[in-house]
Amino acid sequence: DIQMTQSPSSLSASVGDRVTITCRASQRISSYLNWYQQKPGKAPKLLIYAASSLQSGVPSRFSGSGSGTDFTLTISSLQPEDLATYYCQQTYSTPWTFGQGTKVEIK
Amino acid sequence: QVTLKESGPVLVKPTETLTLTCTVSGFSLTNVRMGVSWIRQPPGKALEWLAHIFSNDEKSYSTSLNSRLTISKDTSKSQVVLTMTNMDPVDTATYYCARIEIVSYRIDYWGQGTLVTVSS
Repeated sequence: DIQMTQSPSSLSASVGDRVTITCRASQRISSYLNWYQQKPGKAPKLLIYAASSLQSGVPSRFSGSGSGTDFTLTISSLQPEDLATYYCQQTYSTPWTFGQGTKVEIK
Repeated sequence: QVTLKESGPVLVKPTETLTLTCTVSGFSLTNVRMGVSWIRQPPGKALEWLAHIFSNDEKSYSTSLNSRLTISKDTSKSQVVLTMTNMDPVDTATYYCARIEIVSYRIDYWGQGTLVTVSS
């Protein structure tokens, strides 16, 4: 199975800060990497697919980059509503796997 | 409007078999661009992908749970069913079904989830 490792596990940042979350795959996965946002008590929501494509309706402050084994999710200007846990997921090969999540808190 | 809704028991006993049903609307299970996945999340823990099924009946399963899982679909009822045998308290989790868009292999719509507790 392909292992997905996210860092950091949690972070605290102020409104307006630039936030970066990284995700590393245990083997090359081309660009088959998705990012999800999960707010407390809610189902996950797709933010970014194919490593860098913004899902329809998602604010442009969210962006993704990377290919191969190393990927990044960036929030350009953190907003209060971005309080959530963020997960990466590889869909390069089955079984599909998720990272362990990054919890984003607002200072 | 795409929706997915999970249904099934809220409480199961250890060693019992869990059967969950995902009823979809707004898309067809015969659409070659679509599939359905099951994902679970133990309380306070990370997401865990369990299985998926595509329109051509291609199926895939979690490596660690492969022997306990079966996924199937009834296109006439717009339903996808997941069974998990030999339930254990560690299987207590919220179980989600979700739509897969195959061209880009993204999970673009999720159900609300259903919490299943395993306890005697």
